[in-house]
Amino acid sequence: AQSVTQPDIHITVSEGASLELRCNYSYGATPYLFWYVQSPGQGLQLLLKYFSGDTLVQGIKGFEAEFKRSQSSFNLRKPSVHWSDAAEYFCAVGGYSSASKIIFGSGTRLSIRP
Amino acid sequence: NAGVTQTPKFRVLKTGQSMTLLCAQDMNHEYMYWYRQDPGMGLRLIHYSVGEGTTAKGEVPDGYNVSRLKKQNFLLGLESAAPSQTSVYFCASSFPGTVYQPQHFGDGTRLSIL
Repeated sequence: AQSVTQPDIHITVSEGASLELRCNYSYGATPYLFWYVQSPGQGLQLLLKYFSGDTLVQGIKGFEAEFKRSQSSFNLRKPSVHWSDAAEYFCAVGGYSSASKIIFGSGTRLSIRP
Repeated sequence: NAGVTQTPKFRVLKTGQSMTLLCAQDMNHEYMYWYRQDPGMGLRLIHYSVGEGTTAKGEVPDGYNVSRLKKQNFLLGLESAAPSQTSVYFCASSFPGTVYQPQHFGDGTRLSIL
């Protein structure tokens, strides 16, 4: 069965520090992986996606993620966080075509320490 | 650009009452989705539609009905509200495609059932 695990419920990092948010997935076939961000009171926005090819994908707002098949992971990273990055981040799997369903992880809330 | 607009933004209901949540998109998207978001559970798909006049069940459809009479609108109905339906509801829309097309999300409807 498809599933996504985000082991960290809440992370706090200092502004300017590096960030890594963890995501592990379970999927029976080639996974299609996504990271979304949700700012308070708003809907989700797609940060980046991985379908195939280069395992390091670049997204918007300076984020990147690396697909590691051997570890079933798709961790999100950013070299230097800004206060505006405070939000909730969701990893998701599935949904190769628009008609496919996406399974979302439970989310990681990111707080930024001034 | 309005994008995806959800009405209302907040609502409090009593158990057993009925109501309809409205989602409107102005991007000419074929596909529309209704999700619910609960703490620690990410987003779960309630119902979705791949075109005007068609709807399908998602992961958690029980207690909800939907209609897509016009391409730009997707209605979510609660016939007899229950406290378990207290949640934040998100509508999303996307273009169809044989490869994934990003879903555009509304800002959510916060619904409380007393």
